[in-house]
Amino acid sequence: SYVLTQPPSVSVAPGQTARITCGGNNIGSKSVHWYQQKPGQAPVLVVYDDSDRPSGIPERFSGSNSGNTATLTISRVEAGDEADYYCQVWDSSSDHPYVFGTGTKVTVL
Amino acid sequence: QVQLVESGGGLVKPGGSLRLSCAASGFTFSDYYMSWIRQAPGKGLEWVSYISSSGSTIYYADSVKGRFTISRDNAKNSLYLQMNSLRAEDTAVYYCARVWQLARTEYFDLWGRGTLVTVSS
Repeated sequence: SYVLTQPPSVSVAPGQTARITCGGNNIGSKSVHWYQQKPGQAPVLVVYDDSDRPSGIPERFSGSNSGNTATLTISRVEAGDEADYYCQVWDSSSDHPYVFGTGTKVTVL
Repeated sequence: QVQLVESGGGLVKPGGSLRLSCAASGFTFSDYYMSWIRQAPGKGLEWVSYISSSGSTIYYADSVKGRFTISRDNAKNSLYLQMNSLRAEDTAVYYCARVWQLARTEYFDLWGRGTLVTVSS
């Protein structure tokens, strides 16, 4: 089955830019979605279809996808952005169609 | 208010059974595919099962196939997960999630708060 690999952790100072990668074989040919999960809460969709934002998600959250790597970028990081982030793809050729990445803990220094 | 509310979690012994429910409100439940996703303590997200809007198409993760059964009652705006032969490794928070479908992809645009299932003797 398809595998998505994320770095376990990313640290960033307030006001700086955090970049979270999601690696997968030719992931650029797939559509990637990103979820934010704060401690004790359910995941929240922050980016869908590589780079679109749901209503209510700040413009500071953006996404890109090319080759073997997709990236979630958080600009002007705030303390409230500290959370776990997961990428996800839909593999239409599989009967296990929903694949999540391993998750990245973003720490705001 | 658009929301999903899970219930039915609890403590169960290995080999036991549990039935989770998810009540949907604020949207036309019968229009949407639905999924169950779980998260073991301190671990990442794991997709468990999926059911089409009519219930005619169902998929399961290999880890639960043959033990778990997903179903829905569109008249009651409810999603279910019957879990049998439970194992310690099934211990997790179980989330109900709505599937949003685009032309070439699908994702989860609405999540419930989750219900905790603990399998322990």
